[in-house]
Amino acid sequence: DAGVTQSPTHLIKTRGQHVTLRCSPISGHKSVSWYQQVLGQGPQFIFQYYEKEERGRGNFPDRFSARQFPNYSSELNVNALLLGDSALYLCASSGRSGTGREQYFGPGTRLTVT
Amino acid sequence: GENVEQHPSTLSVQEGDSAVIKCTYSDSASNYFPWYKQELGKGPQLIIDIRSNVGEKKDQRIAVTLNKTAKHFSLHITETQPEDSAVYFCAATQANAGGTSYGKLTFGQGTILTVHP
Repeated sequence: DAGVTQSPTHLIKTRGQHVTLRCSPISGHKSVSWYQQVLGQGPQFIFQYYEKEERGRGNFPDRFSARQFPNYSSELNVNALLLGDSALYLCASSGRSGTGREQYFGPGTRLTVT
Repeated sequence: GENVEQHPSTLSVQEGDSAVIKCTYSDSASNYFPWYKQELGKGPQLIIDIRSNVGEKKDQRIAVTLNKTAKHFSLHITETQPEDSAVYFCAATQANAGGTSYGKLTFGQGTILTVHP
């Protein structure tokens, strides 16, 4: 079975631009979470969506937004990019009713802001 | 909010030795503790987890122990192999938490494990 997939793999953007990252969860999973991983650190929670509704939100500015589609795939949008947004963005899916348990991560999207 | 501290930051062992990584958490309401292995250029891979109603869990060469009173949990890898070399992360969450923490995993800072042949 396919795991969590993310696109694109790598992305280079300029300060001030907008970016959209995409995630497809494991088949049958209805919960998708987004995390930001800065080099040398553990992932930081951004959002969780379950059944197309935002259920959890981390300590990130309003420039970060997300949505989940009827097929449970998800998009993460970041506006007005800053140099500090450069990171690996990870998507995780779970079939455990959005509780945070058993989250399976995708390979991530490496975002570089110049 | 929850805070997870992880030690050591780096760990070097000889093939066949055991490796132990320790984590402490701050929120006594946390009740689910997963461990992830992250290889270079890949996303974190869930390798084992433990719930707060269990003190120890084993899966082949990997085991996790949990001390709820002391609020710490540990990963034990026995008979280490070079392919165990990676960054290991512990995490904690309160399953079924309400509010903005719903579904939030709080991660430790990571341990770089190197297994020398």
